[in-house]
Amino acid sequence: EVQLVESGGDLIQPGGSLRLSCAASGFTFSSYSMNWVRQAPGKGLEWLSYISSGSSTIYYADSVKGRFTISRDSARNSLYLQMNSLRAEDTAVYYCARDSYGDYYHDYWGQGTLVTVSS
Amino acid sequence: EIVMTQSPATLSVSPGERATLSCRASQSVSSNLAWYQQKPGQAPRLLIYGASTRATGIPARFSGSGSGTEFTLTISSLQSEDFAVYYCQQYNNWPPNTFGQGTKLDIK
Repeated sequence: EVQLVESGGDLIQPGGSLRLSCAASGFTFSSYSMNWVRQAPGKGLEWLSYISSGSSTIYYADSVKGRFTISRDSARNSLYLQMNSLRAEDTAVYYCARDSYGDYYHDYWGQGTLVTVSS
Repeated sequence: EIVMTQSPATLSVSPGERATLSCRASQSVSSNLAWYQQKPGQAPRLLIYGASTRATGIPARFSGSGSGTEFTLTISSLQSEDFAVYYCQQYNNWPPNTFGQGTKLDIK
């Protein structure tokens, strides 16, 4: 069974940093591209970042480019999102999502982790 | 960036009736369109990909159609568990993979 479990969400002050993790199991993690998607309270879904299976290709949404860094560790079956210079508008539930093999829609999602940016 | 527009924002339908949700792209996305269902407090769940292919385990009452810029998600006979928010997402021209703003399906 495919499982994605996010962790690392917290209450953080504006300007602070946080690292989110996504532990993957039930599939060959190294073969799949992965994404981070977030959802602000009461709002819709916003794609944030993509990393290819071998980490050779990485993309970011303009809203987080230069502040967030996606990475993965296939030895640990884990996906990460390093978030720096956090702003109030980064407050959201952050989901990791797997891309379908060879395609770019998200076939499995984690349960999400809440990041609250507030003083 | 491709803009995805869903309509209506809220749809009120009675159980057992048919629901039709629309998604429009600002430019052609071919058939690279997915639909997701999200219930309160839960993660999104993939329903449809390739505009019309049901994901694994999705009941046959869910169907998708369209190509290019106009897409439709139809739920043929609404069950109580179908009342949720539905999002479309294009994955043809990316980054970014853009989502629509969502349609909330309410019980009438």
